[in-house]
Amino acid sequence: DTAVSQTPKYLVTQMGNDKSIKCEQNLGHDTMYWYKQDSKKFLKIMFSYNNKELIINETVPNRFSPKSPDKAHLNLHINSLELGDSAVYFCASSQAGLVGGDTQYFGPGTRLTVL
Amino acid sequence: SQQGEEDPQALSIQEGENATMNCSYKTSINNLQWYRQNSGRGLVHLILIRSNEREKHSGRLRVTLDTSKKSSSLLITASRAADTASYFCATDAGGAQKLVFGQGTRLTINP
Repeated sequence: DTAVSQTPKYLVTQMGNDKSIKCEQNLGHDTMYWYKQDSKKFLKIMFSYNNKELIINETVPNRFSPKSPDKAHLNLHINSLELGDSAVYFCASSQAGLVGGDTQYFGPGTRLTVL
Repeated sequence: SQQGEEDPQALSIQEGENATMNCSYKTSINNLQWYRQNSGRGLVHLILIRSNEREKHSGRLRVTLDTSKKSSSLLITASRAADTASYFCATDAGGAQKLVFGQGTRLTINP
């Protein structure tokens, strides 16, 4: 059974387009995250949601907009894609956020390539 | 800025040998975690050590934490080809509601 799933796995698109990545977790967790991993494998948090409420919004361009319709889903919409957006995007979830240091469960990643 | 920094960036050893990776961090922490990432996959949690713990074991994994030096090490004993992956440390940066990851150590186990 897949715990954290993302779609699509690969996304190739032209500069200027708008695209969305979907994430779902079936673990019953309260908190979900989006991370960006660059070509040097550096993993940086972008957003986190707890029970559909935005908790963390790192310094991310306004072109990135997360949406959480319910606590099992956290989608990421990106407007006006730029070359620098090319990366692997990971969704993750944890039981209750980082109080006490929760283990995070990661999805398989979405490799976004902007041409 | 990056919280954790792993050392070495890459490590290549023979199967059966032990692998040691180090992580240094900058701010105080409540806990430190280690994750593994196989090529093309998501991260998988390996072990969590709290700031009041000095050592923790899980199977072939041994993690140490030295808060006075702001450093941690991950030891994998009797390595196997399947251990080939990138290993990341992550901290809660002193209670921040997020994990801050290092750049990882790429471990290659040669058969």
